[in-house]
Amino acid sequence: GQQVMQIPQYQHVQEGEDFTTYCNSSTTLSNIQWYKQRPGGHPVFLIQLVKSGEVKKQKRLTFQFGEAKKNSSLHITATQTTDVGTYFCAVNTGGFKTIFGAGTRLFVKA
Amino acid sequence: GAVVSQHPSRVICKSGTSVKIECRSLDFQATTMFWYRQFPKQSLMLMATSNEGSKATYEQGVEKDKFLINHASLTLSTLTVTSAHPEDSSFYICSARARAANYNEQFFGPGTRLTVL
Repeated sequence: GQQVMQIPQYQHVQEGEDFTTYCNSSTTLSNIQWYKQRPGGHPVFLIQLVKSGEVKKQKRLTFQFGEAKKNSSLHITATQTTDVGTYFCAVNTGGFKTIFGAGTRLFVKA
Repeated sequence: GAVVSQHPSRVICKSGTSVKIECRSLDFQATTMFWYRQFPKQSLMLMATSNEGSKATYEQGVEKDKFLINHASLTLSTLTVTSAHPEDSSFYICSARARAANYNEQFFGPGTRLTVL
């Protein structure tokens, strides 16, 4: 079945440093979504990317979809303690099912 | 934004009992609801897809007789963990896809933490 690999598993950064998480698929994706889950909370939708080479920004967050639509990244510029949490990429299979990547846990030290 | 509620938020039960978890879309109609389970520090694992008025579609390895799903209306889906055992202890999260959604955004409930003693 459809799988997506996400790295790194976790990352520790100093507040103010940048952070990037990557997702890769062996097959071409129709779209990819990104979610954030705060500790103890539930996943919250951040964005969906659909077009080849698409780049979208939300304040300090930059999302990219690869030209081949097989990979994607989420980059946070100048992390803040409020960025702490787990970031998941997710892809759709048939019938609107969503498969999540393993997630990247971000730790931010003040 | 769309709101999904889940009840209860936390439940502790004895081994062998059954537990029902409700998932409601509060301000939209959900044609499809999904049930996930998440173990500590792990990703969300899709258990089943629930469509209103039809039988749920279970993922491989998920016992349909153990995890009973009912999607009685466009705003309510329930997951019943039957004869729960300690290994069923987990965080169960539902999500809903809005009927009018143009793309694949899902709205997640706050989750139910199940502990089976």
